[in-house]
Amino acid sequence: GDSVTQMEGPVTLSEEAFLTINCTYTATGYPSLFWYVQYPGEGLQLLLKATKADDKGSNKGFEATYRKETTSFHLEKGSVQVSDSAVYFCALISNFGNEKLTFGTGTRLTIIP
Amino acid sequence: GAVVSQHPSRVICKSGTSVKIECRSLDFQATTMFWYRQFPKQSLMLMATSNEGSKATYEQGVEKDKFLINHASLTLSTLTVTSAHPEDSSFYICSAPTGGGPDGELFFGEGSRLTVL
Repeated sequence: GDSVTQMEGPVTLSEEAFLTINCTYTATGYPSLFWYVQYPGEGLQLLLKATKADDKGSNKGFEATYRKETTSFHLEKGSVQVSDSAVYFCALISNFGNEKLTFGTGTRLTIIP
Repeated sequence: GAVVSQHPSRVICKSGTSVKIECRSLDFQATTMFWYRQFPKQSLMLMATSNEGSKATYEQGVEKDKFLINHASLTLSTLTVTSAHPEDSSFYICSAPTGGGPDGELFFGEGSRLTVL
């Protein structure tokens, strides 16, 4: 079945550090890939997505590139801020039309000033 | 953007009682809503798909008599955990798609943390 494997947290970085959160997946066909973010006290929000190989999703300074050859969708940001502290979830949809997401376990990120 | 709201955000109940969690789409209509469950340090697991006007579709291994889902209107789905036990303690999250197939955006509620004593 479909699965998403995420880098285990928690991750603690200093402000302005470079961030990478690894995500790899197993899926049939050609999945769409997503990163969701959950800020404290709020629901999950879509951060970025990519729907086909070599696509790069980007938003709020975060980027992730859909790598079919390595089945990966790593999240990166060049310079993190305290406001980026949140839980980040990698996810995929493998079957078009049913909109069912398969999630990774989530990675808690804490940025210290 | 679209908003999905869950209530309550936290609930503590005694073993054997039933608990109802509401999921509302505040500014759009949702014919479908999804209910997820998350255990500590684990993925969000899809429990069921709630369909307005028809029965919910449950994922394999999810007891439909234990987790009652009612999609009463285009803006409200409820999850009732019946005869709750401590092992039902978890974080329950709902989501609703705004349409557009797999490329459409899913909006999530804030989640409801259930603790069964």
